[in-house]
Amino acid sequence: QVQLVQSGSELKKPGASVKVSCKASGYTFTRYGMNWVRQAPGQGLQWMGWINTKTGNPTYAQDFRGRFVFSLDTSVSTAYLQISGLRSEDTAVYYCATPAREVILPFHYWGQGTLVAVSS
Amino acid sequence: QSVLTQPPSVSGAPGQRVTISCTGTSSNIGSNYDVHWYQQLPGTAPRLLISGNNNRPSGVPDRFSGSKSDTSASLAISGLQAEDEADYYCQSLDRLLSGPVFGTGTKVTVL
Repeated sequence: QVQLVQSGSELKKPGASVKVSCKASGYTFTRYGMNWVRQAPGQGLQWMGWINTKTGNPTYAQDFRGRFVFSLDTSVSTAYLQISGLRSEDTAVYYCATPAREVILPFHYWGQGTLVAVSS
Repeated sequence: QSVLTQPPSVSGAPGQRVTISCTGTSSNIGSNYDVHWYQQLPGTAPRLLISGNNNRPSGVPDRFSGSKSDTSASLAISGLQAEDEADYYCQSLDRLLSGPVFGTGTKVTVL
C-alpha cells in the first residue's frame, strides 16, 4: 500500500532553516509528482507547489517563491522541503501529497504532516 | 487567500442531510476543471473524499456525494453521523494561478 512518511516536528528560532522529509513507499516514486501543502494553525489548506519526480523540476506557488526549496533523493524515494530565513508566520503543519495516477489532481495520498514551529 | 469560497460552518442532527457549497469563478471551476473534496478529521491529515466531481474512492461511504454546475460545486452528506464531524475542503485547478487551489474550508458539526 502507498505510504508517505514525514519527518518529525521541528522547533526553530527565527532566521534558522529547516528541512522536512517525505519518504514514499508502495509505488514507483518517479511515477507521480510530489506536492507540498501548508496549513497554518487554525487555518485552511494552501498549495505550496510541486516537484516533478522524473526530472527534479520544481514549481512554486506565488506565495512560496524565494525561501522555499523542493528537492529529491530518488535513491531513497524521498522528497524534501527546505525553508530558509524562518519567520513566525512559517509556523504551520506541512504535508506532502501525491496523486495516484499521472495527473495533477486529486491528491490521493498524504503524509501525516510535519509541524514546524518558529519561536524565539 | 483562496479563490474557492465555502461557508465557514454547517450543522445538522444525526440522520439529517447537509450540503456544503464551493463557489468559484470562470478561471477555475467555470473553466471545466474537475472539483475534488477532502475530509480532515481533527488532528489528522486530509483524506480524499470525492474525486472528479462525483466519484468516491474505495472505502468512502455512499452517504457522501458530489455535484458540479457552472462555477460552483456541492458536497452532500446524507444520514449524518457523529463521525462526520470534520473540516471539508474543495479543490480545483485555476488557470490564472497555474495550479491547484483549495476552498476556504467548512466545519461540519453534528448536533
